[in-house]
Amino acid sequence: GAVVSQHPSWVICKSGTSVKIECRSLDFQATTMFWYRQFPKQSLMLMATSNEGSKATYEQGVEKDKFLINHASLTLSTLTVTSAHPEDSSFYICSAKSPGVETEAFFGQGTRLTVV
Amino acid sequence: GQNIDQPTEMTATEGAIVQINCTYQTSGFNGLFWYQQHAGEAPTFLSYNVLDGLEEKGRFSSFLSRSKGYSYLLLKELQMKDSASYLCAVKDNDYKLSFGAGTTVTVRA
Repeated sequence: GAVVSQHPSWVICKSGTSVKIECRSLDFQATTMFWYRQFPKQSLMLMATSNEGSKATYEQGVEKDKFLINHASLTLSTLTVTSAHPEDSSFYICSAKSPGVETEAFFGQGTRLTVV
Repeated sequence: GQNIDQPTEMTATEGAIVQINCTYQTSGFNGLFWYQQHAGEAPTFLSYNVLDGLEEKGRFSSFLSRSKGYSYLLLKELQMKDSASYLCAVKDNDYKLSFGAGTTVTVRA
């Protein structure tokens, strides 16, 4: 199956700093990637849809100026959490859509962000 | 909006069968996924249904009734390693996935 790599796996940062998370499709070109957030003991919540070469589409309630998404190439999307605060501590997961594959969404390994 | 319901927790013994139900009310439907997720890890794909009926894959089976907005995941011959959270997710026409809150399954010896 298609492989999606997410980096870093975990990160600890100080409050007020910014953190960048990368999501790469390793063996296919992903025109669309999705970013999810998961708080402890809760399910995945879609934050935004990342489209290659265009602006991301954010879900209601997600601050686009705080969660910057860049999808500059067909294999890379990045999520930058700006001015992070402790309440942003969460598990962030990306997924990518492989062209022509409708039966499965391919997830990255996830990034555990802790803001202290 | 999307509304996806599944039980919060289920407990079963090793070797038994467990059925996890999922009901959904969504604006747009283009398939239903089941994922397994262990704590702190990304979800792992289990099954995908887009047509009514039963899909069997080894010890796991998934059923879909589109007219009833209902699906279930059936886990047979339970093993200790099956202890995890099981997520029901509905795909809309834009390929966005809406997830249920997840069902934590605990397998006891």
